[in-house]
Amino acid sequence: DAGITQSPRHKVTETGTPVTLRCHQTENHRYMYWYRQDPGHGLRLIHYSYGVKDTDKGEVSDGYSVSRSKTEDFLLTLESATSSQTSVYFCAIGLAEGTGELFFGEGSRLTVL
Amino acid sequence: KNEVEQSPQNLTAQEGEFITINCSYSVGISALHWLQQHPGGGIVSLFMLSSGKKKHGRLIATINIQEKHSSLHITASHPRDSAVYICAASSLQGAQKLVFGQGTRLTINP
Repeated sequence: DAGITQSPRHKVTETGTPVTLRCHQTENHRYMYWYRQDPGHGLRLIHYSYGVKDTDKGEVSDGYSVSRSKTEDFLLTLESATSSQTSVYFCAIGLAEGTGELFFGEGSRLTVL
Repeated sequence: KNEVEQSPQNLTAQEGEFITINCSYSVGISALHWLQQHPGGGIVSLFMLSSGKKKHGRLIATINIQEKHSSLHITASHPRDSAVYICAASSLQGAQKLVFGQGTRLTINP
């Protein structure tokens, strides 16, 4: 199995509080991604990174920011959580652009009350 | 209309049956992925293919680039195959911007 871990795995928080999810990999893969999964929407890309300090927005990036200060860690931050951000968040890593296989973390379930 | 469409959305079958899940896409792709997600679990990559056919154990994935269609087959299905199967297309626009289907929920009864 690919060495990819997400933390925390479960979190309950209140509206307006900041939240940071961490994705850690031991595979030295260049590409890292944050997705959210919601019923009726499937998986949607929030942000992705193609190298240290190189990030770009996905299709549902509003309300989220990311940082990648080193290869192994990709952080997703909700500056002020809202109930619409209640979701399951998946991190993924990939070696190559375009046709490379992706490896997913176990997911982080976030509930915003 | 979604760029990646899967059918059926739900499928229930008896153990031992041959299973087919279909995926049609309208975008130009560099690769097509099949993923598996067990209830409450993480997501596992089953196949990534850009042409032809791939086989792993009882799972077979095929793709027809001209028809923009892919299928996932499971032979001799087993209750442990019960999961959501997700088709995803890697966009030609790069950076593995996957476009995901809605998923097919498969239940195999003993």
